[in-house]
Amino acid sequence: GPKVLQIPSHQIIDMGQMVTLNCDPVSNHLYFYWYKQILGQQMEFLVNFYNGKVMEKSKLFKDQFSVERPDGSYFTLKIQPTALEDSAVYFCASSYGTGGGEQYFGPGTRLTVL
Amino acid sequence: EQQVQQSPASLVLQEAENAELQCSFSIFTNQVQWFYQRPGGRLVSLLYNPSGTKQSGRLTSTTVIKERRSSLHISSSQITDSGTYLCAMERDYNQGKLIFGQGTKLSIKP
Repeated sequence: GPKVLQIPSHQIIDMGQMVTLNCDPVSNHLYFYWYKQILGQQMEFLVNFYNGKVMEKSKLFKDQFSVERPDGSYFTLKIQPTALEDSAVYFCASSYGTGGGEQYFGPGTRLTVL
Repeated sequence: EQQVQQSPASLVLQEAENAELQCSFSIFTNQVQWFYQRPGGRLVSLLYNPSGTKQSGRLTSTTVIKERRSSLHISSSQITDSGTYLCAMERDYNQGKLIFGQGTKLSIKP
């Protein structure tokens, strides 16, 4: 089936540094998402993105977070600066449409902030 | 408020038994997806089932929109089915935001 890729699979950084998580969504998909899962806890929505703009963001999407997809390349999540509580697995997803469109998830990037 | 409730929280079965997992929603939804999360964390999409009954191999999902619930039936369970099963819904008229349940942890014993 359609695949979403995420790079890197693991990232370890020091608190206060910047990190960029990369997502290569399914090629003809138009909607993109980031979700966050802290170890042992529930998967939670962060943000969705369409036509170059954020459509909705959750309370977890702090001011230090930003997303973009310049010129149809990777869909990225940037955190600057990072905090200890940002340690989690971040999953990227994409869909062709919304309002009933199936979402396809990547394998996740495990972020550890020291 | 937990918008997506999954039950049971955990389930232990013998190999070859059938498993029945339940998901209920606090609001109406137009999208339901079932996922399997491997012990290492990787998410596998099992079934996308906004309404009615859908089958894939040993998996059958039934979603009853009016009753705000969905179920996942696993027939003839195997040891490799062990892991966490997640149910997720999209809020009606929302823009793709999936809300996940807390999962059912399934353990299949030989």
